[in-house]
Amino acid sequence: AQRVTQPEKLLSVFKGAPVELKCNYSYSGSPELFWYVQYSRQRLQLLLRHISRESIKGFTADLNKGETSFHLKKPFAQEEDSAMYYCALIDNQGGKLIFGQGTELSVKP
Amino acid sequence: DTGVSQNPRHKITKRGQNVTFRCDPISEHNRLYWYRQTLGQGPEFLTYFQNEAQLEKSRLLSDRFSAERPKGSFSTLEIQRTEQGDSAMYLCASSRRPSGGLPFTDTQYFGPGTRLTVL
Repeated sequence: AQRVTQPEKLLSVFKGAPVELKCNYSYSGSPELFWYVQYSRQRLQLLLRHISRESIKGFTADLNKGETSFHLKKPFAQEEDSAMYYCALIDNQGGKLIFGQGTELSVKP
Repeated sequence: DTGVSQNPRHKITKRGQNVTFRCDPISEHNRLYWYRQTLGQGPEFLTYFQNEAQLEKSRLLSDRFSAERPKGSFSTLEIQRTEQGDSAMYLCASSRRPSGGLPFTDTQYFGPGTRLTVL
């Protein structure tokens, strides 16, 4: 079964500290993975996707097929990074996204 | 604003009533998706359209739910005989079906959602 797991509901760090939001997946084949972010009172928006290998707002994520992980990292957290973060993969039968439960990141001053 | 729009943004209804939500996708997007999100959970897929054709429906979509996209533009999601368990945020997303290269890789853009409360 295709599944995305985000083990942490809440991650709280201080400004300037490194951040790692964990994401593990279950998928047969070559997955395509995404991180979506939802800031307070805003809509869900794409943060990054693994095929583009970009760094967005200082965040990076590397696909580790051996560990079936796609953790999101940032070396120095900022207060404006506080938001809900969702890891997702594309279903291999069609275009739907399968989301994890989400991790709330709280960056304290 | 040329993003995905959804109406209404909030809906409060009594159990047993019917409700209908509307989604207007980004104009050049031919794929439209409906998701449902309950408190503390990530969005869950309900159904999607490519142009006017409904290509997939989740098992979450009971007989009380119906979605249409009559002209391949906007879409409606109707819930008949609402139940308290239908209370959730209903999200719409749209994307452009990619041509050539890797399949299913185009970004899905989400609307603000419609929050349904069933009393």
